[in-house]
Amino acid sequence: GESVGLHLPTLSVQEGDNSIINCAYSNSASDYFIWYKQESGKGPQFIIDIRSNMDKRQGQRVTVLLNKTVKHLSLQIAATQPGDSAVYFCAENIAGGTSYGKLTFGQGTILTVHP
Amino acid sequence: SAVISQKPSRDICQRGTSLTIQCQVDSQVTMMFWYRQQPGQSLTLIATANQGSEATYESGFVIDKFPISRPNLTFSTLTVSNMSPEDSSIYLCSVGGGQDTQYFGPGTRLTVL
Repeated sequence: GESVGLHLPTLSVQEGDNSIINCAYSNSASDYFIWYKQESGKGPQFIIDIRSNMDKRQGQRVTVLLNKTVKHLSLQIAATQPGDSAVYFCAENIAGGTSYGKLTFGQGTILTVHP
Repeated sequence: SAVISQKPSRDICQRGTSLTIQCQVDSQVTMMFWYRQQPGQSLTLIATANQGSEATYESGFVIDKFPISRPNLTFSTLTVSNMSPEDSSIYLCSVGGGQDTQYFGPGTRLTVL
């Protein structure tokens, strides 16, 4: 997985803008990717996932893009709202074998939405 | 999605003592996981706890420090033993996995003085 630092990347946006949060993953064998949202004092909350046989998946106001060539994952949030303010983590998983079910998390990005 | 609860939600402990964290799920699940989230950082997997077998620990984590029980398909415990201030973290359990969505509990916030 990615190295983890003491200072998370930050993204500040105005309410109503679109947000794009990026994540570089390290293991080319990873075949399942998840985005989580973590609000202060809470556990990570599932947002959206994507499998390696896809390059795009859409949910309600969110879109995940996967570029396996450069091992890059992004989360797009449309019409960002103050309630979207949180830390966002990407996570990767390798299906099968001894790695089954084990998630490796990225460092996280702090999203702040200003009214 | 599974509903997961953890006890305690937070605790302040003295160094050298041990704390047992409980994780309860509202449905039977095969795979349960324990993660640690140090202050301001991301999540790191401690171990995988499957019912009927011993927990499998990740590199850097050992059973003597983090003993885990998994007595049935809805419950697990993680003990943080002989605590030091470096153990101050959020400890999270999760269920699911593989190609299934993994859901997390609310976490236990541990401060060691």
